[in-house]
Amino acid sequence: DIQMTQSPSSVSASVGDRVTITCRASQGIRNDLAWFQQRPGKAPRSLIYAASSLQSGVPSKFSGSGSGTDFTLTISNLQPEDFGTYYCQQLKSYPLTFGGGTKVEIK
Amino acid sequence: EVQLVESGGGLVQPGGSLRLSCSASGFTFSDHCMDWVRQAPGKGLEWVGRSRNKADRYTTEYAAAVKDRFTISRDDSKNSLNLQMNSLKTEDTAVYYCTRLGRNSFTDNWGQGTLVTVSS
Repeated sequence: DIQMTQSPSSVSASVGDRVTITCRASQGIRNDLAWFQQRPGKAPRSLIYAASSLQSGVPSKFSGSGSGTDFTLTISNLQPEDFGTYYCQQLKSYPLTFGGGTKVEIK
Repeated sequence: EVQLVESGGGLVQPGGSLRLSCSASGFTFSDHCMDWVRQAPGKGLEWVGRSRNKADRYTTEYAAAVKDRFTISRDDSKNSLNLQMNSLKTEDTAVYYCTRLGRNSFTDNWGQGTLVTVSS
């Protein structure tokens, strides 16, 4: 199975900050990577697919990059509605696997 | 508007069975592959399995943890995705989400989830 490792596991940031989350795959996954946001008590929301493409309706403050084994999610101008937990997922091979999550908290 | 509504969750004893359903609307259900994803209380997301569409011959994939115990099926005439869960274990306790894959083969929509609790 492909292991997905996210770092940091949590980050404390202020409104207006820029936050970068890293996701590393245990083997190359091309750009078969997605990012999701989960606000407390809510269902996840799809943000990014194919490593860097925004899902419909997702604001451009979210951006993704990377290919192969190393990927990043950047959130610009952090707002209160951006706080929550972010997950990456690889879709290169079965079983599909998620990273452990990165909790973005208010400083 | 795409809507995915899960139902069927509840409390079940270890070794028991439960059937979850996901009612889809706002899109042509038969065109899309669908996944089940679960989340144990206070834990991260875990992929459970996939139902491919007619074009992909309705094939399925499963996570090792549920293979041979869970069965995914779909009824395109009813816009419904199902998850039959047998031989349930306490570690199957989780919120179960139904998700839609877009034409790019990535998840683009999620249901609100249904809670399954396996406990004696």
